[in-house]
Amino acid sequence: DIQMTQSPSSLSASVGDRVTITCRASQNIRTYCNWYYQKPGKAPKLLIYAASTSQSGDPSRFSGSGSGTDFTLTISNLQPEDFATYYCQQSYSAPLTFGGGTKVEIK
Amino acid sequence: QVDLVESGGGVVQPGRSLRLSCATSGFTFRSYSLHWVRQAPGKGLEWVALILSDGNSKYYADSVKGRFTISRDNSKNTLYLEMNSLRSDDTALYYCARDLFCGGGSCAGIDNWGQGTPVTVSS
Repeated sequence: DIQMTQSPSSLSASVGDRVTITCRASQNIRTYCNWYYQKPGKAPKLLIYAASTSQSGDPSRFSGSGSGTDFTLTISNLQPEDFATYYCQQSYSAPLTFGGGTKVEIK
Repeated sequence: QVDLVESGGGVVQPGRSLRLSCATSGFTFRSYSLHWVRQAPGKGLEWVALILSDGNSKYYADSVKGRFTISRDNSKNTLYLEMNSLRSDDTALYYCARDLFCGGGSCAGIDNWGQGTPVTVSS
């Protein structure tokens, strides 16, 4: 099974900051890495798929990059509504797996 | 508007069974692959199962393989999860979710989620 190791598990940042979250796959998953965010009590929402493709309607301050085993989600100009938990997911092969999550908190 | 509504959750004793349903609307059900994803209280997301659009290909997490069965009824636009031999670590909020596209053994990403149905396994 493919493991997704996400880091950091939590971070504190201020409005306007640039934030980077990374995910490492235990084997080559090409560009089959997706990013989601989740607010408390709400269902997750897709932000980025295929490593770097933004889901329609999402702000341009979210961007993804990477291929193979190393992937990055970058949030530029952090906004108050961006404080949430972020998850990566590999969809290269079943069993599909999520990273452990990164909680982005207000500094 | 895409809508996925889960039902069937509840409190069940260890070793018993439960069947979850997910009623969908707003898209061509038979054309999409569907997942179940769960989240234990205060924990992260755990992928549970996937069924492709044709209904013949099914995949499971190791933690539920042999105990859970995913199925779909394309005439009713409904997804199911039959859960047997339930354990306390199956306690979670269970989400029904739609994938953008699955093919060739890979999927594109989950673009629509329900609100979840809670399952509590406790004596």
